[in-house]
Amino acid sequence: NAGVTQTPKFQVLKTGQSMTLQCAQDMNHNSMYWYRQDPGMGLRLIYYSASEGTTDKGEVPNGYNVSRLNKREFSLRLESAAPSQTSVYFCASSERTASSYEQYFGPGTRLTVT
Amino acid sequence: EDQVTQSPEALRLQEGESSSLNCSYTVSGLRGLFWYRQDPGKGPEFLFTLYSAGEEKEKERLKATLTKKESFLHITAPKPEDSATYLCAVQAGGSRLTFGEGTQLTVNP
Repeated sequence: NAGVTQTPKFQVLKTGQSMTLQCAQDMNHNSMYWYRQDPGMGLRLIYYSASEGTTDKGEVPNGYNVSRLNKREFSLRLESAAPSQTSVYFCASSERTASSYEQYFGPGTRLTVT
Repeated sequence: EDQVTQSPEALRLQEGESSSLNCSYTVSGLRGLFWYRQDPGKGPEFLFTLYSAGEEKEKERLKATLTKKESFLHITAPKPEDSATYLCAVQAGGSRLTFGEGTQLTVNP
């Protein structure tokens, strides 16, 4: 099993450009998440999808949109990139155990907006 | 609002020198506390889940413990390969996690 995969690994954009970050998981998990990680800020939730067909805002959703394409895939779109969106983006997935959700992360996409 | 504070921000140890990392939390109705390891340039790797005060879990040189206000990650006789950033997260309602900023651990040979 590959677990959680993300593409691309690196990306440089100019201000105002758009792009879509792709995420796929092969663990048959129902829930998927997008985070950004910045120095001194920790991991912050952008959007999540509790199950196929649903999406909800997280802590920092402004400037982003998401699509839960099917159970395996969850994409994050930047419509008009800004320098403040320079960050490392992680996708994660989870399945509810008896008591809680353990999230499993992908390798990340390093995005620079100039 | 759920809050997670990790200390220290950075910790340097000599190989074999045991120590502990702290994770203090404020959450309404804790459903789980999670520890992750993150190596430079990689995604967080799941280590442990703790559910209730008094619970302990071990994996190789790591042992995680939980009280009603904090969790400790004890590292016994660390090796250089234990160098990483260790992240703590809490889950209250739903599936969302709140993460701390992490402790960067360096173990010198």
